[in-house]
Amino acid sequence: AQTIHQWPVAEIKAVGSPLSLGCTIKGKSSPNLYWYWQATGGTLQQLFYSITVGQVESVVQLNLSASRPKDDQFILSTEKLLLSHSGFYLCAWSLDGDWGGGQNTLYFGAGTRLSVL
Amino acid sequence: QQQVRQSPQSLTVWEGETAILNCSYENSAFDYFPWYQQFPGEGPALLIAIRSVSDKKEDGGFTIFFNKREKNLSLHIKDSQPGDSATYFCAATGFASALTFGSGTKVIVLP
Repeated sequence: AQTIHQWPVAEIKAVGSPLSLGCTIKGKSSPNLYWYWQATGGTLQQLFYSITVGQVESVVQLNLSASRPKDDQFILSTEKLLLSHSGFYLCAWSLDGDWGGGQNTLYFGAGTRLSVL
Repeated sequence: QQQVRQSPQSLTVWEGETAILNCSYENSAFDYFPWYQQFPGEGPALLIAIRSVSDKKEDGGFTIFFNKREKNLSLHIKDSQPGDSATYFCAATGFASALTFGSGTKVIVLP
């Protein structure tokens, strides 16, 4: 069975400090990987996606970056946090192959709650 | 541009009632519509989905009604239970397009 693990569960950080969030998927090779951001009580905004190791596409510009150093790992980071970065960060995976074809269910992790003060 | 709209923003029903959640979309190329259920502090999980070739999909107490001509769909939660209290997101996608989520409907089921 596939499992998705996000870390840390929660973070409280100061404005201007760096951030690194991680996501690991086990039990599935070469998945499509995604980072989503959710404001409190808000919708889900896709930030990045990756269909293979070393390749990451940015969907929105939020002074964040993402990397995929391994097939099963996706990292979200920034060197300087802003207040607007607060929210709930969700990693997700889907089956490879028909990217964007509307056939791929997204499987979300439990998320990381980020508070920037 | 909000491509997927949901209403109402929140909905309170009594246990045993049917909750009706609405969703509309603008992009005629969308052909797959999943609904996700999210409990507080958790990631969303796929609840039920429909393709545009169908006008109805049932799974347990959840039913999607889809109207392609009007570009809208609804999720009916039959015999609502307190455990169904959650936020429900309508989403849509089509060929070569990312999954687009609506703003969500928070459902509260009172015992």
